[in-house]
Amino acid sequence: QVTLRESGPALVKPTQTLTLTCTFSGFSLSTSGMCVSWIRQPPGKALEWLAHIDWDDDKYYNTFLKTRLTISKGTSKNQVVLTMTNMDPVDTATYYCARICASAVGLWFGLWGQGTLVTVSS
Amino acid sequence: QSVLTQPPSVSGAPGQRVTISCTGSSSNIGAGYDVHWYQQLPGTAPKLLIYGNNNRPSGVPDRFSGSKSGTSASLAITGLQAEDEADYYCQSYDTSLSGGAVFGGGTQLTVL
Repeated sequence: QVTLRESGPALVKPTQTLTLTCTFSGFSLSTSGMCVSWIRQPPGKALEWLAHIDWDDDKYYNTFLKTRLTISKGTSKNQVVLTMTNMDPVDTATYYCARICASAVGLWFGLWGQGTLVTVSS
Repeated sequence: QSVLTQPPSVSGAPGQRVTISCTGSSSNIGAGYDVHWYQQLPGTAPKLLIYGNNNRPSGVPDRFSGSKSGTSASLAITGLQAEDEADYYCQSYDTSLSGGAVFGGGTQLTVL
């Protein structure tokens, strides 16, 4: 059974750096074709793709947030870590990690974690 | 402003058929990239509903179907049920400035 779970602080102060961890089971990120992504959703608003990392350690970022984001494989083989610098109240959102499925004509998010709400406030 | 455009809301009575549109451009849907759909029930994470334009993952009822034409796509729900009341999002891939995966703004479905 494939599962993903996000963890990290519920509250961060403006200008701080956010570090989130996605812990997954039921698949290996070392397997060819596997990718894990981060997506966020501000309260009452739409979904926004942030970044993803693939089995070959290639990394892809949302162009508009690229300078603030870093995605990496965690120290544990079943973890992916996302850091976002210079947090602002507009970054308040539920952050999801998801397993990506891909084809020659795109990618989609096959399975999602439950999400973790991050509030940015002083 | 989302890269893909969806109507903010749609509604229908139980048993009826509703459709949700998703309009893109030549850098995403029109470029040949597939469209995928997600259902988000209140207070829960999104769930994959349709992938590759018109494919249903195991467990998704055949009341849900998708289609794609040109720079647009549609999600159709037939035999509407109360449990279908949720937010629905379309998603594709974009090669323009934003790059990567892009989502629609979401459509809230109300079952009357």
